[in-house]
Amino acid sequence: GAGVSQTPSNKVTEKGKYVELRCDPISGHTALYWYRQSLGQGPEFLIYFQGTGAADDSGLPNDRFFAVRPEGSVSTLKIQRTERGDSAVYLCASSSGEDSYNEQFFGPGTRLTVL
Amino acid sequence: GQNIDQPTEMTATEGAIVQINCTYQTSGFNGLFWYQQHAGEAPTFLSYNVLDGLEEKGRFSSFLSRSKGYSYLLLKELQMKDSASYLCAVRPPSGGYQKVTFGTGTKLQVIP
Repeated sequence: GAGVSQTPSNKVTEKGKYVELRCDPISGHTALYWYRQSLGQGPEFLIYFQGTGAADDSGLPNDRFFAVRPEGSVSTLKIQRTERGDSAVYLCASSSGEDSYNEQFFGPGTRLTVL
Repeated sequence: GQNIDQPTEMTATEGAIVQINCTYQTSGFNGLFWYQQHAGEAPTFLSYNVLDGLEEKGRFSSFLSRSKGYSYLLLKELQMKDSASYLCAVRPPSGGYQKVTFGTGTKLQVIP
């Protein structure tokens, strides 16, 4: 497929556990974004990668959240010691940076439920 | 900071026209996006405005007034499949990347 993919589509975990969410961006897209979306809200920015480096991680809510993109393609969002308030849909988006307005293409999201 | 306001919900009739408004107060501005998001799906790009005026694209048009901090999305000849949330998002001044800030979205219900 040519779009952004995310796995798993759904993740149910218990409070205090560790989870990893994966994002495969569109091939060749250098920019990658993670957002969190709660019910009835718009996507909330978490972190942005340009290549392998995190250009802006100001949206990560606390140090339990961490993301990596070691080879400049696939990215993993990691959440330690999950809390019930972490329950949300986690969206990944990528962009090429080649157009004038930097359109972001979104993946289908991972729905995280913390019990 | 960024503050974006949109109505929470709207209802319109199939075949009609609907206008979804968005107002923003931001510390900087470099363009405004509209995205469509069907329930349980990812947002998809609809339009981008950086200059004042109306941009038309098929049944959808988007308007921007930078001096008023105001935009609207106009949907014509509404179809049932247009029932979705419509997200307004503001792009900050360029700085090597685009940290887009989204509004909470307007949930549009199209009724027969």
